[in-house]
Amino acid sequence: DTEVTQTPKHLVMGMTNKKSLKCEQHMGHRAMYWYKQKAKKPPELMFVYSYEKLSINESVPSRFSPECPNSSLLNLHLHALQPEDSALYLCASSQDRGWNTEAFFGQGTRLTVV
Amino acid sequence: GENVEQHPSTLSVQEGDSAVIKCTYSDSASNYFPWYKQELGKRPQLIIDIRSNVGEKKDQRIAVTLNKTAKHFSLHITETQPEDSAVYFCAASAGGADGLTFGKGTHLIIQP
Repeated sequence: DTEVTQTPKHLVMGMTNKKSLKCEQHMGHRAMYWYKQKAKKPPELMFVYSYEKLSINESVPSRFSPECPNSSLLNLHLHALQPEDSALYLCASSQDRGWNTEAFFGQGTRLTVV
Repeated sequence: GENVEQHPSTLSVQEGDSAVIKCTYSDSASNYFPWYKQELGKRPQLIIDIRSNVGEKKDQRIAVTLNKTAKHFSLHITETQPEDSAVYFCAASAGGADGLTFGKGTHLIIQP
């Protein structure tokens, strides 16, 4: 199984809502990532979890709250978002060992904030 | 932090011709350089990658070259086909669980 599965595929939420994005992989990868991709732009790294611990936070606003309940799951909790947060949110995973850094991406959650 | 520059932003080639996309990186600690293809509305898909202990890697019609001294790497696609039309991103990473820094992308258009 070389899949990274993200749910939901599409999400529309109001600025006062609380929602969560979910990501799952069963490749035994110990590094998991959240990226944000705006239209016609490259993916931008938001968070990195290594062995279920947050290792990188790229100065992301606190209205985005990541969580890694176990080595296969990664969540992104959303609260009080702004319309400019509308984007494709991509989860990825990789092995966390030396040279083995090939990242596998999920299909993404297309988020619209209204 | 790492900064990756990618050129050109748009590349139009005739079907059957070759396409070359170039990237430069700034952080000498970077040691892993993947290339991703992204079709409209889809996830980035890894098409080829290269590590800093290798100068060149080839997979059928796709090749990547790396010049560590100059800090640049390039993607070469030969015998282009209509299905090669997509946005291509280069990226760099220092390895481990460092995450990827992407270039701005190249929209490759294959003209029939």
